This record gives sequence, C-alpha cells and structure tokens, in this order.
Amino acid sequence: DIQMTQSPSSLSASVGDRVTITCRASQSISSYLNWYQQKSGKAPKLLIYAASSLQSGVPSRFSGSGSGTDFTLTISSLLPEDFATYYCQQSYSTPYTFGQGTKLEIK
Amino acid sequence: QVQLQESGPGQVKPSGTLSLTCAVSGGSISSNYWWSWVRQPPGKGLEWIGEIYHSGSTNYTPSLKSRVTISLDKSKNQFSLKLNSVTAADTAAYFCARGSVYSSKGVYYYGMDVWGQGTTATVSS
Repeated sequence: DIQMTQSPSSLSASVGDRVTITCRASQSISSYLNWYQQKSGKAPKLLIYAASSLQSGVPSRFSGSGSGTDFTLTISSLLPEDFATYYCQQSYSTPYTFGQGTKLEIK
Repeated sequence: QVQLQESGPGQVKPSGTLSLTCAVSGGSISSNYWWSWVRQPPGKGLEWIGEIYHSGSTNYTPSLKSRVTISLDKSKNQFSLKLNSVTAADTAAYFCARGSVYSSKGVYYYGMDVWGQGTTATVSS
C-alpha cells in the first residue's frame, strides 16, 4: 500500500490567514492526489482532484500543487467556515489510502 | 442531483456480520461510476474499504479483503457492504461514496465526489 503522511497534524490559525498543509506519498503518485474537507459529524467533501484541479463549486481560495511525492493544499485567506479537518488521498492505485488528517482550528 | 443514503443496523454482535446498504437517488447505479465504501473509527481518520463498478468489478483494501464483500442491486438502484467476523475494531462511521473519473490534460483521474451522510455501526455484545 502507498502510505500518505500529512503535516502538520493540527494547525491553529486566524480568519484571514493563509495556511498550507503538506502531504507526502511513500512513492511517486504523479498527480493522482485528492484533497477532502471534513467538518465535524459530516461526510468528507472533495475539494481538489489531480493535485491541482478545483472541484466544481469549491471556492478559489483553495488551491493545490505538487506532483510525484510532495503536495500542498493552500487556503489563501481563511474564512470561518474553513475550520475543519483536511485529508489527502492518493488515487494512483488501490487501496486508495488517505493521510491521517490535518485539523485546522481557530486561534 | 445524485444523492446517497446509507442504512443498516446500528449495532452488531462480535463475530457477526455487518451489513449496510447505500441507496442511490437522482441517478442510475448502472452509470459509469465506481461505488465505494469508506469508514472512520471514532476520533480517527478515513479508511477506504473498497469499491464496485457497474460491471460488477471490485477492488478491496488488502487488510479487509478476506472479510468484505461489496455488491450491486441494480433492480433497487443500491449497493451493499458486508463485513464478516466483526470485532470492536470495526466500530466506525461508514460512508458510501461515488467515485468519478475526471479528465485533466488528457489524463484520467479519480475522486469521490458524492457522499452519503454516514451511518454508525457499533460492534458490541
């Protein structure tokens, strides 16, 4: 299985801040990387696929980059509704493994 | 738009079988999508369990492969998860999801774009 490692595990930030979350794959996955947002008690929501393509309806303050083994999710200016847990997932090969998650909290 | 809804017993006895169903509305399960199950133990991260294509082709995570079956019921427009020989470690929220294929710069990518709300399954005697 491909292991996905996110950092940091948790992050405190303020409304208006720019934040970056990192995801590293245990082997090259090209651009087969998704990002999801999960709010407490809710289902995950697909934000980004193919490492940098914004899912329809997702605000442009979210962006993704990277290829190979190293990827980032950036939120350019945090809004109150962005405080949630974020997961990366590789779709290079099954099983489609997730990172352990990054919890974004209000400072 | 397509909606997914999980259902099933909230409690299962140890060594028993967990059976969940995901009803698909607003679209056909025979469309070109992968239909998936993901679980999340309390307070922990997401674990991909497996998926089934409308043709019946399946993929499972190796750690659960010996205990899991995902199947389609096209007449009811739903798909199901069965997990055998459950233990307390199988206690989790279970989500069903639709896997879609996206084209970007001539390459095809995969992402789970529609999710059910999730259902909690507790393994307890």
